[in-house]
Amino acid sequence: DVKVTQSSRYLVKRTGEKVFLECVQDMDHENMFWYRQDPGLGLRLIYFSYDVKMKEKGDIPEGYSVSREKKERFSLILESASTNQTSMYLCASRSTGADTEAFFGQGTRLTVV
Amino acid sequence: GNSVTQMEGPVTLSEEAFLTINCTYTATGYPSLFWYVQYPGEGLQLLLKATKADDKGSNKGFEATYRKETTSFHLEKGSVQVSDSAVYFCALSDRGTASKLTFGTGTRLQVTL
Repeated sequence: DVKVTQSSRYLVKRTGEKVFLECVQDMDHENMFWYRQDPGLGLRLIYFSYDVKMKEKGDIPEGYSVSREKKERFSLILESASTNQTSMYLCASRSTGADTEAFFGQGTRLTVV
Repeated sequence: GNSVTQMEGPVTLSEEAFLTINCTYTATGYPSLFWYVQYPGEGLQLLLKATKADDKGSNKGFEATYRKETTSFHLEKGSVQVSDSAVYFCALSDRGTASKLTFGTGTRLQVTL
């Protein structure tokens, strides 16, 4: 069974903390993505990576950074967490091609207090 | 840029009712079109897709037809079940945008007995 695994289902962090969200996929996909899901706004792309050590900004990259040191792992970093980053974070992976299926993790619900 | 517009929810239907969720898109070129579904507490999973004009995607009784002339990809099901209660996302992938998926805002479906 193919899998995208996110390290935590729920996280509570304090304002100003550095937060790491981890994602691992076992399908040898080139492309990995971090989305943020908020009610009424759907899924918004934060960052994506199309190869090891390669990354591109998505639609809402401010306040976030990413790391991809190995093909299977893609980390999202909140440099200094703020309350407006309270959200559901979804990781996805996909092989290259416009018609391929994207596989999603179960999501991390992050609360910043 | 690319964009996807979905009808707003929530949509509340009785079991065995007919379902339509509207989706229209804006894209350069000829995108592939997708419907993803998110069941409560889970990540997104692919429901169906269509990769060229007039293609019909189908799965689990759901159908959607790629209409290039109206830039639409409406989701339909003839008889919904309580187990279909979920959030449905329309999405597109453009061959020129490095395998990124652009999502609509999602439509929540609630099916009652």
